[in-house]
Order: sequence, then C-alpha cells, then structure tokens
Amino acid sequence: LAKTTQPISMDSYEGQEVNITCSHNNIATNDYITWYQQFPSQGPRFIIQGYKTKVTNEVASLFIPADRKSSTLSLPRVSLSDTAVYYCLVGDYGGSQGNLIFGKGTKLSVKP
Amino acid sequence: NAGVTQTPKFQVLKTGQSMTLQCAQDMNHNSMYWYRQDPGMGLRLIYYSASEGTTDKGEVPNGYNVSRLNKREFSLRLESAAPSQTSVYFCASGAYDGTTNEKLFFGSGTQLSVL
Repeated sequence: LAKTTQPISMDSYEGQEVNITCSHNNIATNDYITWYQQFPSQGPRFIIQGYKTKVTNEVASLFIPADRKSSTLSLPRVSLSDTAVYYCLVGDYGGSQGNLIFGKGTKLSVKP
Repeated sequence: NAGVTQTPKFQVLKTGQSMTLQCAQDMNHNSMYWYRQDPGMGLRLIYYSASEGTTDKGEVPNGYNVSRLNKREFSLRLESAAPSQTSVYFCASGAYDGTTNEKLFFGSGTQLSVL
C-alpha cells in the first residue's frame, strides 16, 4: 500500500490560495490520488481525484508531477468555511476496497 | 436521496454490553466500509465489504464483527464493548466507475462512549 505523508497543520487567511502537498514515494502504476475534506462532527467528503498532470473542478485543483511521487491540492481564495481537515489517499483503480487508508490529514485553519 | 444513513447518532454503553451499529445506502454501491475515528488519529478502517456476500478485515478489526445483510445494508457489531472502543464510527459506501479509483460517500457518524 502506498503510504502518504502530509503536513499536520497549515494556517491561511481569507482570500489566499492554499496549497497542501502530499508525498507518496511508493505510488504504484495503477494508483489514483484522491483528496477528501472533513468538517468537525461530519464524515469526510470527496473533493477531487486524479492520476497525472492537472485536474480541476469547481472546488479545487490537483497537480500531479510526472513522477507522481507527490501531489498538491490547491484551494483558490479560501474562506473561513474551508477550515477543515484534508486527507490525501492513494489506491489502485481496480476498486480499492481495503486499501483506502486515511492518514491523520492536514488541519487547515483559515483566519479572517 | 438520503445517501448513507447511520443509526444511532449517539450511544452510551457500559463495559461488556453489546450493540449493533446500522448503516444503509441508497446509491446502489457495491462496496461498503466501517471506519473509526479517534481524536488526532484520522480514520482507521475496521472492516469492509467489496460486494454483497463478502466481508474482509481492515486495519483494526479486533473486537468487531460485521454483516453485509444485502446490497444496501452493512452493520457493525460490538459483542462485548470495551472503553478502548469509545470513538466516532463512520460508515461509507464506494462508487467505482470501472476506470478510476473509488470515491467514498460517508454517513454522518455514530458517537459511541463505553464507560
């Protein structure tokens, strides 16, 4: 299973762009990278998923370099409501089943 | 569309008591999961079910049993609750389109305290 490493916490201010990097040095060829967001007292929520290069949706962008040993979740112009824990997961595309392992995530605090 | 529904939302048990946490999804997903979350520990996988009729152990299965009752329902049972099982329990179901990795949809959680 590909292990991921993320910063424990990050601070930002409203209106700034936030980039959270995840390291996954032993990522396998078939692995995809998925990010989840969790607010206090709620279950995690899917944000974005990608395999290589760049993926963008209405919430965030995901940048994956050619070697795929890391990935960066980019949140444009954060607001107070983006304060949450963000998890990076790596798993294979064949239906991950038991290898969807969550680490401790990155606790993002957005200040006014 | 309710998504993933967990019951109960809160529960207090005494050591040695048993209980079953219920989970149901209405998205026709094949796979379902049970996680526990302790303060500062992230989520840890207890059991999962890749499809109806199959279950497998995750990272921390000791002290738990599961039943995949049908495609919609996946229950988690504590036979003899211990204080170490005090945690927030999340159920999830997985959407897999055959080309990318699964996307998990989580319930709102069950906060369990074992005294």
